[in-house]
Amino acid sequence: QEQLVESGGGVVPPGKLLTLSCGASGFTFSSRAMHWVRQAPGKGLEWVAVISHDGREKYYADSVKGRVTISRDNSKNILYLQINSLRGEDTAVYYCARDRYSYGWGGGDAWGLGTLVTVSS
Amino acid sequence: QSALTQPPSASGSPTQSVTISCTGTSSDIGYYNYVSWYQQHPGKAPKLIISDVTRRPSGVPDRFSGSKSGNTASLTVSGLQADDEADYYCSSYAGNNNLVFGGGTKLTVL
Repeated sequence: QEQLVESGGGVVPPGKLLTLSCGASGFTFSSRAMHWVRQAPGKGLEWVAVISHDGREKYYADSVKGRVTISRDNSKNILYLQINSLRGEDTAVYYCARDRYSYGWGGGDAWGLGTLVTVSS
Repeated sequence: QSALTQPPSASGSPTQSVTISCTGTSSDIGYYNYVSWYQQHPGKAPKLIISDVTRRPSGVPDRFSGSKSGNTASLTVSGLQADDEADYYCSSYAGNNNLVFGGGTKLTVL
């Protein structure tokens, strides 16, 4: 069955770098755009970034632009999110989500369970 | 990019209908038909229940329906059931390669 599994979260000191991964299975990973969406504790959903099916187009929320890099390896069916210079406000559950379309904006029709990132010294 | 505006809470009794609004601007909801709605139960991942304003994914009951008028999108849940109690989020493409979410609405089934 279709599955997305995030990993890489944990407790990280402020200012450090963290890379999250999202492994995909059960569908043709290379045909869909992929998103990262985060949710701070007790708060709503916040879109972070999207990458097109072929990895050529990448777009970021203004709140993370310049500190975050989204990438994908279609040969391994893995999506990545690198976050630099971690701040307290980056503390959240990070979800990867599959878009209905190859270039994004169609809605996330499959989601992982999320991985918790806690920025703390 | 500003978040979309949703009422923080909504409620209804079993079998009743409830409508949740999602207000944006002429640059997002008012311009694009890329409005989605998600249901999120506590401690769970979001689930897509409406895409492209009105499209219902396979497996989503037809008790859930979406619509749009001007800069406001709406989600209607008919025949409320206990399991419909959850948080609901709208999202919209906002142009310039940006996606925005609403702040979420907590639906209580009385």
